[in-house]
Amino acid sequence: EPEVTQTPSHQVTQMGQEVILRCVPISNHLYFYWYRQILGQKVEFLVSFYNNEISEKSEIFDDQFSVERPDGSNFTLKIRSTKLEDSAMYFCASRHGTSGSSYNEQFFGPGTRLTVL
Amino acid sequence: SQQGEEDPQALSIQEGENATMNCSYKTSINNLQWYRQNSGRGLVHLILIRSNEREKHSGRLRVTLDTSKKSSSLLITASRAADTASYFCATDTWGAQKLVFGQGTRLTINP
Repeated sequence: EPEVTQTPSHQVTQMGQEVILRCVPISNHLYFYWYRQILGQKVEFLVSFYNNEISEKSEIFDDQFSVERPDGSNFTLKIRSTKLEDSAMYFCASRHGTSGSSYNEQFFGPGTRLTVL
Repeated sequence: SQQGEEDPQALSIQEGENATMNCSYKTSINNLQWYRQNSGRGLVHLILIRSNEREKHSGRLRVTLDTSKKSSSLLITASRAADTASYFCATDTWGAQKLVFGQGTRLTINP
């Protein structure tokens, strides 16, 4: 069964460093998302991406964050200068978004645990 | 206001019993989805129910939606130890793509 994959599973970085989190969404999906979950807290929306542009973003998604779909399969989240409070689990999700019974279902990857020291 | 709040926050039952978790939300929704998360792991999609649906089944899962009360319930029948996890509801609204998650219910199935 197709699934969303994410790499790496765990990333440790120093404060101020840039990190790139990678995701491969399900191949025929059109909508892509990043969410994060700080330890012990609820999952929070960061950004949605459709047709090669950001369609919606949250207040968390400030100028330090960017997303890109560099080719036909990868979807990346870049944090330019990491802060301690960026430590969280980051989830990528994708949605088909067109016709069909499951077009609204968002499927999540296994997550990347980011630790900022 | 918080969208998608689950209760109880924690539930512990014996294997074989049924587990019921509830979710309430504040604004009108398009869809409501339930997810499972094992400790420190990813979110597994369980079921989606549309705003014009009242009940949906998938295996041992039964989801209801009451839009007049802005609430949903997830019933897991004949629970198993492997059902031990956190369960989240997530809503989306017309015109917005993002999912808004609740705090989740931590379910423990005791053997």
